[in-house]
Amino acid sequence: EPEVTQTPSHQVTQMGQEVILRCVPISNHLYFYWYRQILGQKVEFLVSFYNNEISEKSEIFDDQFSVERPDGSNFTLKIRSTKLEDSAMYFCASKEGITGELFFGEGSRLTVL
Amino acid sequence: EDKVVQSPLSLVVHEGDTVTLNCSYEVTNFRSLLWYKQEKKAPTFLFMLTSSGIEKKSGRLSSILDKKELSSILNITATQTGDSAIYLCAHRGGGADGLTFGKGTHLIIQP
Repeated sequence: EPEVTQTPSHQVTQMGQEVILRCVPISNHLYFYWYRQILGQKVEFLVSFYNNEISEKSEIFDDQFSVERPDGSNFTLKIRSTKLEDSAMYFCASKEGITGELFFGEGSRLTVL
Repeated sequence: EDKVVQSPLSLVVHEGDTVTLNCSYEVTNFRSLLWYKQEKKAPTFLFMLTSSGIEKKSGRLSSILDKKELSSILNITATQTGDSAIYLCAHRGGGADGLTFGKGTHLIIQP
């Protein structure tokens, strides 16, 4: 069964460092998303991406965050200068069409020290 | 701001019991309500509900939407230990593309 894959599964970084989280969405999907879940809290929407541009972003997705689809398969989330409060599980998700089912990856746990 | 509230926040039952999980929403522009099961990591899709009163069923799980009451329930009959998970309810709005999640119900099934 096709799946969304994310790397790394866990990353530990120092505050102020740049981090790139990578995702390979399901191959025929056109809509891509990043969500995050701080430990013990709810899953929160960060950003959606379609047709090579951001279609929507939340208040959390400030100038420290950026997304990119550098080639036909990868979808990345970059955090420029990490803060302690960026520690969370980051989920990538994709869907085929605008009304389709959203498939989540296994997540990348980011720990900022 | 859209809100999704789930109850109870946690629930412990015995294997074989039937459980009902609740989700209520307060949103500006309803499009659909979704249920996910989150075990160790990734939420996995269960149901998407758009029309009121139509039950969606998958094995022992079923769900229904009540647009008048702005709520949805997820039922699990004859629970098994493998049903232990966090069950998430999420709203997909009209103009917005991202999902708004509730805090989830942590369900524990004891043997």
